[in-house]
Amino acid sequence: EVVLTQSPATLSLSPGERAILSCRASQSVHNYLAWYQQKPGQAPRLLIWNALTRATGTPARFSGSGSGTDFTLTISSLQPEDFAVYYCQQRSSWPTFGQGTKVEIK
Amino acid sequence: QVHLVQSGGGVVQPGRSLRLSCVASGFSFSKHAMHWVRQTPGKGLEWVAVISDDGSKRYFADSVKGRFTISRDNSKNTLSLQMNSLRLEDTALYYCARDLGPDKDYFDYWGQGTLVTVSS
Repeated sequence: EVVLTQSPATLSLSPGERAILSCRASQSVHNYLAWYQQKPGQAPRLLIWNALTRATGTPARFSGSGSGTDFTLTISSLQPEDFAVYYCQQRSSWPTFGQGTKVEIK
Repeated sequence: QVHLVQSGGGVVQPGRSLRLSCVASGFSFSKHAMHWVRQTPGKGLEWVAVISDDGSKRYFADSVKGRFTISRDNSKNTLSLQMNSLRLEDTALYYCARDLGPDKDYFDYWGQGTLVTVSS
């Protein structure tokens, strides 16, 4: 099983700031990595797939990068609606998820 | 507009069975693989099972293999998860989710979730 480790667990930032979230895989997942956003009481929402491809409707302020074992999700300028929990997910083998990074208002 | 509406779930004793359903609308259901994913506060998000677009292929997480069955009825746009021999650790919020596309194994639309509680 591929284990995904996300850091930090919590990111405290102000609106307008840049957020950089990390996801590290226990073995190479090539570029087979996605990012999801989840708000309280809602299902996860796909943001990025194959490491850098924005899903339909994902704002341009969200960007993904990385390959192999190290990946990053960057939110260029945090909007009020971006404060949420973010998960990475790999599909190189059976799908697994990271434990999440909470982006909270500072 | 894509909609996945779930039903089923509830409280059940260990060892008993439960069936979850997911009715799809707004897209060509028969053209997408479908998944079940569950979520708990402790273990986070866990993929459970997938069924191919035509129902010919089914795969399961090791944690549910031999106990859970996934099925679909493309004539009724319905996905199901039959859960047998339920354990305490199966307690979770269960989501059905659409596969993004052929061989993608990413989840682009999700149901609203249904809570399954296994308790004596």
